[in-house]
Amino acid sequence: QVQLVQSGADVKTPGASVKLSCQSSGYTFTTYYIHWVRQVPGQGLEWMGMINPSGGSANYAQKFQDRVTMTSDTLTRTVFMDVRSLESQDTAVYYCARDQQRWTFSGALDIWGQGTMVTVSS
Amino acid sequence: VLTQSPGTLSLSPGERAILSCRASQSVRNTYLAWYQQKPGQAPRALISDGSKRATGIPDRFSGSGSGTDFILTISRLEPEDVAVYYCQQYGALPWTFGQGTKVEIK
Repeated sequence: QVQLVQSGADVKTPGASVKLSCQSSGYTFTTYYIHWVRQVPGQGLEWMGMINPSGGSANYAQKFQDRVTMTSDTLTRTVFMDVRSLESQDTAVYYCARDQQRWTFSGALDIWGQGTMVTVSS
Repeated sequence: VLTQSPGTLSLSPGERAILSCRASQSVRNTYLAWYQQKPGQAPRALISDGSKRATGIPDRFSGSGSGTDFILTISRLEPEDVAVYYCQQYGALPWTFGQGTKVEIK
């Protein structure tokens, strides 16, 4: 069964960093891009970027270019996203999602993780 | 920019639901997806490439359209279809989502 399992909820103070994880199972990890999408409570979905787990190359939305780093670990089949300089407006649920296209990216997302709630509060 | 309408759709079971997604620019190659998000859950893929149903999605869900205008149709609404539905374009980076249409049961 194809599955993405994300790390648990976290609470951070403004200015801190958070590292989120997304562990895959049920498919060949290195053959599908992973995307990160966030959702501020009560609002819509926002694409943050994507990573090729094979090699680790990443592409970020311009809005997050300076504060986000995505990495991958093929041994543990896990993708990570580091978000720095957190602000209260970063309070959101962060989802990882698999690209539906094998070997390359399309942008259509077929499998989603359960989400990680990150709360930024002093 | 993707604009979805209506904001909320309230229908009775068995009725047809028509959800609209309009793009400010033509979506390349009909690279338009639809997702369903039930309360407290992650989004779930319904449709990609404008009209291709994802694995396991009932055939009462269908997508159509091209260019700037896309439609998600739920042919016979069921109680478990209560959710927010999002469209997403992946024809040009950055991928963007519409603001969502909430479907309710009367």
